[in-house]
Amino acid sequence: ETGVTQTPRHLVMGMTNKKSLKCEQHLGHNAMYWYKQSAKKPLELMFVYNFKEQTENNSVPSRFSPECPNSSHLFLHLHTLQPEDSALYLCASSLGQDTGELFFGEGSRLTVL
Amino acid sequence: AQSVTQLGSHVSVSEGALVLLRCNYSSSVPPYLFWYVQYPNQGLQLLLKYTTGATLVKGINGFEAEFKKSETSFHLTKPSAHMSDAAEYFCAVNTGFQKLVFGTGTRLLVSP
Repeated sequence: ETGVTQTPRHLVMGMTNKKSLKCEQHLGHNAMYWYKQSAKKPLELMFVYNFKEQTENNSVPSRFSPECPNSSHLFLHLHTLQPEDSALYLCASSLGQDTGELFFGEGSRLTVL
Repeated sequence: AQSVTQLGSHVSVSEGALVLLRCNYSSSVPPYLFWYVQYPNQGLQLLLKYTTGATLVKGINGFEAEFKKSETSFHLTKPSAHMSDAAEYFCAVNTGFQKLVFGTGTRLLVSP
């Protein structure tokens, strides 16, 4: 139990579907992140939020839409995805200081058919 | 730009043998360096980190790493491997405010 909870753990969707991934942290952190983990590729930072404000969008396609209503919750809204978007999506949080110590959730395994 | 190179996508050891996972970094400023571990079907967990001070850093589960500036390396070691150490290990460098750059990972296989 890392204090970061992601739901759902597994998701299968068609290319025309709309779905959302949810992340919740119980650590009192101020920064939250979305990472994409694909086979044989380095972890890709997608978005960063600090005190609910987006501070980083790493050239992510608009079919991925993040939402951070407060410092404890982070969503990733998905629509018209492509099969190459199939991956493990990891949420993480940090205190907000520049030490790089991230606390990760267990991930949401997404399969796009 | 900062980057991390992990040598070897797979490393196999026998139980009880020395574990050595290699990581080299590139950074134009003094780096913060990290090792994370990912067990099957789980997220990443911090093993250890180097920020400043002592160059030999001890982490959880008996792992340690040494920061060698002259070699731009931050290799991860453990004197005696356990079956439970089988996982994927990621080296990472901090590039600035809240940005971590990860290596491609090394999968450690431990045989009885």
